[in-house]
Amino acid sequence: AQKVTQAQTEISVVEKEDVTLDCVYETRDTTYYLFWYKQPPSGELVFLIRRNSFDEQNEISGRYSWNFQKSTSSFNFTITASQVVDSAVYFCALSEGGGGADGLTFGKGTHLIIQP
Amino acid sequence: EPEVTQTPSHQVTQMGQEVILRCVPISNHLYFYWYRQILGQKVEFLVSFYNNEISEKSEIFDDQFSVERPDGSNFTLKIRSTKLEDSAMYFCASRETGLEPQHFGDGTRLSIL
Repeated sequence: AQKVTQAQTEISVVEKEDVTLDCVYETRDTTYYLFWYKQPPSGELVFLIRRNSFDEQNEISGRYSWNFQKSTSSFNFTITASQVVDSAVYFCALSEGGGGADGLTFGKGTHLIIQP
Repeated sequence: EPEVTQTPSHQVTQMGQEVILRCVPISNHLYFYWYRQILGQKVEFLVSFYNNEISEKSEIFDDQFSVERPDGSNFTLKIRSTKLEDSAMYFCASRETGLEPQHFGDGTRLSIL
């Protein structure tokens, strides 16, 4: 069965610091997808990124970057030069198989607090 | 940009009553989902729906729950006899194909009294 672990329950940093959110996953499938979602205080889930298991290339999008390492079953998320607006709960999620109707398995989330 | 719409944003119901949560997925999407998030906890998968039938469901999705796509636009989640522990945020999601990411609605907060 699949599992996603986000060991960091809460992280607090001062604005402009870099911060990395950890995600470790377990799956028996060789084909799977990994995701990050942001949940701001308003409660909605905002899609950030999706990676498939065959693409280990790291990705950068502005201040956000993701490091996918199959060898350690990790998909970590780094925010560079953090801003107060980055304060939110961040969820890592996993979908097994090639997609289709598979539901997402979420981690417990990391509450990120950016202090001004 | 098209979005998934959920109504109502907040539903208050007496324990034991039936409740229907409504979702309008993005119009050309084919896969539909319901998730639940108890306050302060992680998001949990309930059920997926494709081709007018349930594709997958979790252990949470017991006989008290049902889903329906009554017409070409709505996707509903019914809880037959609500319990206090059903209080949660319920998210609807949809995707165009099995390879695209799921798009989530803003959620319905369900409060059972």
